[in-house]
Amino acid sequence: GAGVSQSPSNKVTEKGKDVELRCDPISGHTALYWYRQSLGQGLEFLIYFQGNSAPDKSGLPSDRFSAERTGGSVSTLTIQRTQQEDSAVYLCASSLGGQGVANYGYTFGSGTRLTVV
Amino acid sequence: AQSVAQPEDQVNVAEGNPLTVKCTYSVSGNPYLFWYVQYPNRGLQFLLKYITGDNLVKGSYGFEAEFNKSQTSFHLKKPSALVSDSALYFCAVRDNTDKLIFGTGTRLQVFP
Repeated sequence: GAGVSQSPSNKVTEKGKDVELRCDPISGHTALYWYRQSLGQGLEFLIYFQGNSAPDKSGLPSDRFSAERTGGSVSTLTIQRTQQEDSAVYLCASSLGGQGVANYGYTFGSGTRLTVV
Repeated sequence: AQSVAQPEDQVNVAEGNPLTVKCTYSVSGNPYLFWYVQYPNRGLQFLLKYITGDNLVKGSYGFEAEFNKSQTSFHLKKPSALVSDSALYFCAVRDNTDKLIFGTGTRLQVFP
């Protein structure tokens, strides 16, 4: 597609429920990143994919968080047993692989606003 | 570890005046530095980057940034601010695993 697409744009869920957030990167972008932006906070790195593998998942805050990427394209971020502190905007970005980040930076999606009640 | 710092949570400036949003960095090796802007309820948009070359980098919407190696700074500037420039601005540095590390953001408020 022309840009990075994220769905849903908004999600309200009850505490303890599982949620799945989807990211569809720009076609041909082999690198995909998930970040979290909490109210009043900066961007917190969660996980990075190169193709279908995740060379850096150091930012996942707990084992309730997981992500996968299939076919080198769409990625899903799953949060199990959601807690109120998981409420945030979850941003996905993609980039060309190799020196893509150095040369082109990221293209971000519009994010998914998750509210846990 | 690579990092960036944005010392100001908010910058206020009158329309038509010059603006500066500050960023300092800490890296090992050559820095790859970026500025992004986030308008309300929108994703982040790329403004400009410094990889190598001229210390003054020009970007989108009339913004520019000055790379200063001795002061380890990469401040964002614009000669004449517009009300429509009001947004959240993030400085970022590429780390050695090829991801961007972002600062905490600076909210720019331009008053008419």
